[in-house]
Amino acid sequence: DPKIIQKPKYLVAVTGSEKILICEQYLGHNAMYWYRQSAKKPLEFMFSYSYQKLMDNQTASSRFQPQSSKKNHLDLQITALKPDDSATYFCASSQDLGGNQDTQYFGPGTRLLVL
Amino acid sequence: GDSVTQKQGQVTLSEDDFLFINCTYSTTTYPTLFWYVQYPGQGPQLLLKVTTANNKGISRGFEATYDKGTTSFHLQKASVQESDSAVYFCALVGGGNYKPTFGKGTSLVVHP
Repeated sequence: DPKIIQKPKYLVAVTGSEKILICEQYLGHNAMYWYRQSAKKPLEFMFSYSYQKLMDNQTASSRFQPQSSKKNHLDLQITALKPDDSATYFCASSQDLGGNQDTQYFGPGTRLLVL
Repeated sequence: GDSVTQKQGQVTLSEDDFLFINCTYSTTTYPTLFWYVQYPGQGPQLLLKVTTANNKGISRGFEATYDKGTTSFHLQKASVQESDSAVYFCALVGGGNYKPTFGKGTSLVVHP
């Protein structure tokens, strides 16, 4: 059974619209993250949460807003979508935040295409 | 800041060939080094991890050695299979940090 679920797998949106990417993890982890992967750049860290609290935001734009309704959920709301937002978005989790030996586990990703 | 360099964008091999994927890093800390593998349509999966305490990681026939002198963490496998075709990412997490810095990835294509 998948331990990290991301929905939807594929998403097509029009410029200016708003979408929510869903992430749930069943690993019992306390820390969750969002990453973005686009064709031209390495995997980019976006956000980290620990016990449902935002710990780090490396995203320049306020159009990206993470939302954590439960400890094992971390959704990503993206508003005013732009074509440059087209990428695959990965959710990840780790047992705790902090400590460079703590391994992060990645979900299967949501592939977003903005037209 | 931390950085990871993977110079090889793509490596093409035949089954049973020897695999070598180059990774060098830069950090002022005592890092933990990772290799992740990403199969098509999936997220990155941990392949192996090496800390300052254990210089070598081995998993599924792959191995990587943490060389502080040359700041390298190359990935090797003695004999690749077609099923090893994937993208391989080298990553570093600096001491006192939790955010990995990823390399650009190396796409491995193995022909039968």
